[in-house]
Amino acid sequence: NAGVTQTPKFRVLKTGQSMTLLCAQDMNHEYMYWYRQDPGMGLRLIHYSVGEGTTAKGEVPDGYNVSRLKKQNFLLGLESAAPSQTSVYFCASSPWGSDTQYFGPGTRLTVL
Amino acid sequence: GENVEQHPSTLSVQEGDSAVIKCTYSDSASNYFPWYKQELGKGPQLIIDIRSNVGEKKDQRIAVTLNKTAKHFSLHITETQPEDSAVYFCAAFDYKLSFGAGTTVTVRA
Repeated sequence: NAGVTQTPKFRVLKTGQSMTLLCAQDMNHEYMYWYRQDPGMGLRLIHYSVGEGTTAKGEVPDGYNVSRLKKQNFLLGLESAAPSQTSVYFCASSPWGSDTQYFGPGTRLTVL
Repeated sequence: GENVEQHPSTLSVQEGDSAVIKCTYSDSASNYFPWYKQELGKGPQLIIDIRSNVGEKKDQRIAVTLNKTAKHFSLHITETQPEDSAVYFCAAFDYKLSFGAGTTVTVRA
């Protein structure tokens, strides 16, 4: 099993550009999450999904959208990137009924 | 919402010594407390966790204690080794995981 994978690993955007980050998991987990990690602030939840076709807002959802069209994939979109969205983004998943989360390797995004 | 505070932010220990990281939480409804280790350029990895019905849990050189009354929990690493150098995060779960800000642990050879 590859576990949780994220694409791309690195990306540089200009202000106003859009992009989509892809998270994939092969563990048949129901729940998936997107976090951002900033220096000195730990991880903060952006959006999450409790199943295919469902999404919900987390702690810092503004400026992001998500979609969960397939159980194994969770996409994070930035419609108009801003420098404040420069961060490292992590995806995580957990099985139904469990609060244990498994993290991907991260995507480092820089917005100029 | 839940607020998790983690101390210290940095910790330097001599190889072979013990390291202790402490976290406090605010929401008494939180019932699950995992600890993650993050190495440079990688995602967080779960190293140990504890639930609210348990006071202490140990796994080889790593142990976690939980005091529900005081709302704090701690990570103890004994006989530290260079490979223990990393950033460690505590977290508390009520309906979502709330993370502490992290502790950078450096083990000096």
